Amino acid sequence: QVQLQESGPGLVKPSGTLSLTCAVSGGSIISSNWWSWVRQSPGKGLEWIGQIYHSGSTNYNPSLKSRVIMSIDTSKKQFSLRLSFVTAADTAVYYCAIQRVELLPYFDYWGQGMLVTVSS
Amino acid sequence: QSVLTQPPSVSAAPGRKVTISCSGSSSNIGANYVSWHQQVPGTAPKLLIYDTDKRPSGIPDRFSGSKSGTSATLDITGLQTGDEADYYCGTLDSSLSDPSVVFGGGTKVTVL
Repeated sequence: QVQLQESGPGLVKPSGTLSLTCAVSGGSIISSNWWSWVRQSPGKGLEWIGQIYHSGSTNYNPSLKSRVIMSIDTSKKQFSLRLSFVTAADTAVYYCAIQRVELLPYFDYWGQGMLVTVSS
Repeated sequence: QSVLTQPPSVSAAPGRKVTISCSGSSSNIGANYVSWHQQVPGTAPKLLIYDTDKRPSGIPDRFSGSKSGTSATLDITGLQTGDEADYYCGTLDSSLSDPSVVFGGGTKVTVL
């Protein structure tokens, strides 16, 4: 069974860049899956950030598109998220997850999540 | 404000049935599949329903999904204490030039 594990700084300064990595184990990152990021602000609902395919193709949430860059390193079996110009509104638990098909709204596997706080 | 509208909470006694609604529009639920995820507080969400009415392996048939027009529904029958969680509907919204996965605001299920 595929397992996902997020890592990165838990504290980012306002106007800085949030950078997270998701390590994939128990399966191949070169597959038909799309590799995704979803976040959840404290006490709030889920927000899809975007997804990336092993080829490097991406789809982003239009509301975040201007600040998001996703990348993938198949040799290291990991994919990454960069969110620039962060504010307190970007404080959230960030999950990496697997979408079986491009843009279909369900996620078969999830990482445990990582809280990222934006604060000076 | 979420694109999809869910009631904040529903409750029922053990063994009873609860229904969670998810209201959208012709550009999202009306045109695309719906999913439901269950999230116990402090843990990652878990896929419950995909393609509107399909259950992943291991999900009991007490959970069922359906859709009519621009609204979707999750039914939970034979309610158990372990069902206490937040439930999120999701779908694809194709109203913008870049389609996006969208979620409802979540519904908290309480077993009385």
